[in-house]
Amino acid sequence: AQSVTQLGSHVSVSEGALVLLRCNYSSSVPPYLFWYVQYPNQGLQLLLKYTSAATLVKGINGFEAEFKKSETSFHLTKPSAHMSDAAEYFCAVSERGSARQLTFGSGTQLTVLP
Amino acid sequence: DTGVSQDPRHKITKRGQNVTFRCDPISEHNRLYWYRQTLGQGPEFLTYFQNEAQLEKSRLLSDRFSAERPKGSFSTLEIQRTEQGDSAMYLCASSLGRDTGELFFGEGSRLTVL
Repeated sequence: AQSVTQLGSHVSVSEGALVLLRCNYSSSVPPYLFWYVQYPNQGLQLLLKYTSAATLVKGINGFEAEFKKSETSFHLTKPSAHMSDAAEYFCAVSERGSARQLTFGSGTQLTVLP
Repeated sequence: DTGVSQDPRHKITKRGQNVTFRCDPISEHNRLYWYRQTLGQGPEFLTYFQNEAQLEKSRLLSDRFSAERPKGSFSTLEIQRTEQGDSAMYLCASSLGRDTGELFFGEGSRLTVL
């Protein structure tokens, strides 16, 4: 069984400040890990994914995430927040070799303050 | 637009009525997924098709729910005798079938049961 825990359902940062959204996972086999973003009234859009290559993954819009097996974490960061980053962010896990579905965390709503 | 499309985007119905949602995946994608998302939660897996075969169903998919993908292209999700607890966003996603777990989501169909 696999699961995802996102710490902090709401995160607020000032424009230009560091964004850090936390994700911890549980998986019985080596996982694939994903971050999706959901803007209001839109579908989920893939930000980045980890599928066993480099542990530091770069995604769209300046986001990146680091896979840390020892900590079972896949935290999402961005050095400088922009107003357009305000959205809901979901971490998700799937099992390598049996990736028929994604298991999502409950999401983190990011607010960017002017 | 060649993304995943869902119809209708919004549906308001009275308790006890039947509703049907349609999903058109990206044309070359052979896998199709249905997820349900309630307020403040991440998407929850409902069911998954590879071509026309329904390969997996979640325990969330009660007997009142049925999904089909008759020709391996579009899919329908029908809910019979709707209940207020069925109110949610129903998301459709598709993928190429490679085991990387990357899914492409539609904008969702929001169901409100009065």
